Amino acid sequence: DAGVIQSPRHEVTEMGQEVTLRCKPISGHNSLFWYRQTMMRGLELLIYFNNNVPIDDSGMPEDRFSAKMPNASFSTLKIQPSEPRDSAVYFCASSFSPDTKLFFGSGTQLSVL
Amino acid sequence: AQTVTQSQPEMSVQEAETVTLSCTYDTSESDYYLFWYKQPPSRQMILVIRQEAYKQQNATENRFSVNFQKAAKSFSLKISDSQLGDAAMYFCAYRSPAAGNKLTFGGGTRVLVKP
Repeated sequence: DAGVIQSPRHEVTEMGQEVTLRCKPISGHNSLFWYRQTMMRGLELLIYFNNNVPIDDSGMPEDRFSAKMPNASFSTLKIQPSEPRDSAVYFCASSFSPDTKLFFGSGTQLSVL
Repeated sequence: AQTVTQSQPEMSVQEAETVTLSCTYDTSESDYYLFWYKQPPSRQMILVIRQEAYKQQNATENRFSVNFQKAAKSFSLKISDSQLGDAAMYFCAYRSPAAGNKLTFGGGTRVLVKP
């Protein structure tokens, strides 16, 4: 299996632009998580899905952030409009319940100028 | 809400020696899971070891072992025979089945390995 696949690996954009991060979970996994990592705040859970349904989005910073999971093999995290403080590494992870092992993608390094 | 605390921002160890990383957590739940993840400069998050709260026996994976003290809510990681490739950030994490298997991370400990 190829593991959790995230794209792009790096994204540089200007303030105000729309940014879309993509994630393909491991086939057969039914839980998907989006995390953000910064030096100041560490690893924060933004949102997670079970069986394509958002379960907890309390970690989403504000309305500029939105996440979708239209099917079991694809999820997006969108920031519109982007701001410099959104600069971070964004990780996607998946797991198969009831198994508790979480598999992470390689992350997307986002820089908003 | 659960919190995970790693009190050591950085630890240094001589190659072939042993280093112990500390982690404490706060929870009112009885059923949960604890993890240690390694993040090398490549930024990939790599699962090092996992402990189920209902198991009294401490988990071990090759040179990595944990000291799980449930009553004290402590979960330390011991790296034996340290190797240069062990240099990385190490994150302690708590996962709650009652909360949809949400994973909460500590702030991390950077491990430096001296040759």
